[in-house]
Amino acid sequence: SQKIEQNSEALNIQEGKTATLTCNYTNYSPAYLQWYRQDPGRGPVFLLLIRENEKEKRKERLKVTFDTTLKQSLFHITASQPADSATYLCALDIPGSGNTGKLIFGQGTTLQVKP
Amino acid sequence: EAGVAQSPRYKIIEKRQSVAFWCNPISGHATLYWYQQILGQGPKLLIQFQNNGVVDDSQLPKDRFSAERLKGVDSTLKIQPAKLEDSAVYLCASSFPTSGRVSYEQYFGPGTRLTVT
Repeated sequence: SQKIEQNSEALNIQEGKTATLTCNYTNYSPAYLQWYRQDPGRGPVFLLLIRENEKEKRKERLKVTFDTTLKQSLFHITASQPADSATYLCALDIPGSGNTGKLIFGQGTTLQVKP
Repeated sequence: EAGVAQSPRYKIIEKRQSVAFWCNPISGHATLYWYQQILGQGPKLLIQFQNNGVVDDSQLPKDRFSAERLKGVDSTLKIQPAKLEDSAVYLCASSFPTSGRVSYEQYFGPGTRLTVT
């Protein structure tokens, strides 16, 4: 069956360092992958989308890579700040869903950036 | 632009009672989604609407959950009767502006935290 895995353990890093979060999937060939940020008590907020034919995408201090051979996406936050502390979710489109935008979400990884 | 609106924000009910949640998506968004998010997990899709039609409700427990989007704008999700395991945050999201621009990202509301006792 299809499976998406993110690090279940919280990631604790020091301010200024680069945070790297991992999203692995199996039995799946998504056309695109998305990353969302979720703060406590709030809904997820869209950050980045990367397509299967793109290796890397950047937005300000954020960088996403997509390796369809390894079935893995890495999400990097450079020069991390305490304000980056949140839960980060990866989401993949459902095979066969066409252009409907249906997504499967991972369980999320909590990032804690310490000053 | 205004975001996705949801109400109520919090609801506490006893098991076997009924409850309803309301969602108003971003103006012009044709697609509306309802998700269930259990603590420590990612959102799980319950039902997806395209305008006022159901695109996917394969994971909706239809014996107790129902949803409608009658005029293709706002939507309600109902649970009747509620069970303890329904305690979760119910998120509404919208996407795909009808202007024709393809948009894959989803815009989420703040969610309704339901506690069933």
